[in-house]
Amino acid sequence: DGGITQSPKYLFRKEGQNVTLSCEQNLNHDAMYWYRQDPGQGLRLIYYSQIVNDFQKGDIAEGYSVSREKKESFPLTVTSAQKNPTAFYLCASSNAVALYSGANVLTFGAGSRLTVL
Amino acid sequence: KNEVEQSPQNLTAQEGEFITINCSYSVGISALHWLQQHPGGGIVSLFMLSSGKKKHGRLIATINIQEKHSSLHITASHPRDSAVYICAVCVDSNYQLIWGAGTKLIIKP
Repeated sequence: DGGITQSPKYLFRKEGQNVTLSCEQNLNHDAMYWYRQDPGQGLRLIYYSQIVNDFQKGDIAEGYSVSREKKESFPLTVTSAQKNPTAFYLCASSNAVALYSGANVLTFGAGSRLTVL
Repeated sequence: KNEVEQSPQNLTAQEGEFITINCSYSVGISALHWLQQHPGGGIVSLFMLSSGKKKHGRLIATINIQEKHSSLHITASHPRDSAVYICAVCVDSNYQLIWGAGTKLIIKP
């Protein structure tokens, strides 16, 4: 079955460490996104990618980095520069960049919960 | 003020009740999404609307573009409907979504 796989589901990090969250999709979607979710707040866009080898910053990109070397993969690195990294991270993909397309569907992974110790 | 406001923030109801969750927005949009997030965290897309009304099973979503308002209705609610329901709008000619904070729904048996 097609879908998005995020790993790990739970991750603990010591302060000062970089960690990388994996996101893999087999939906043949062009666009991929990383969101951060904090309690009581709407999702906030970290980075997105419309095409392989290209990505753009979202609203809260500081302290994060991404790569898009393959269409299927969009890993997110939470660097030590991120001041408050404890959060729930969601990866998503869509089959069209424009999310107003009638044919578009936004598909999410199950999420990764990062806790800084 | 957030550009996308959902109400209520929390809703508890008895099984079988008719549920309404509201979403108001203050920007021009090309589409509005309703999504469901279960306690485990995964999010599922329910509807995408640009006008009128859509129905899927016991779920009905409506949108009034002039009033900048959308509602999600659940008929004959069931405990398995318990989840967070999230509204997100797609700003005109933009691929980014603006997200509401979600409505936490609990259906008691």
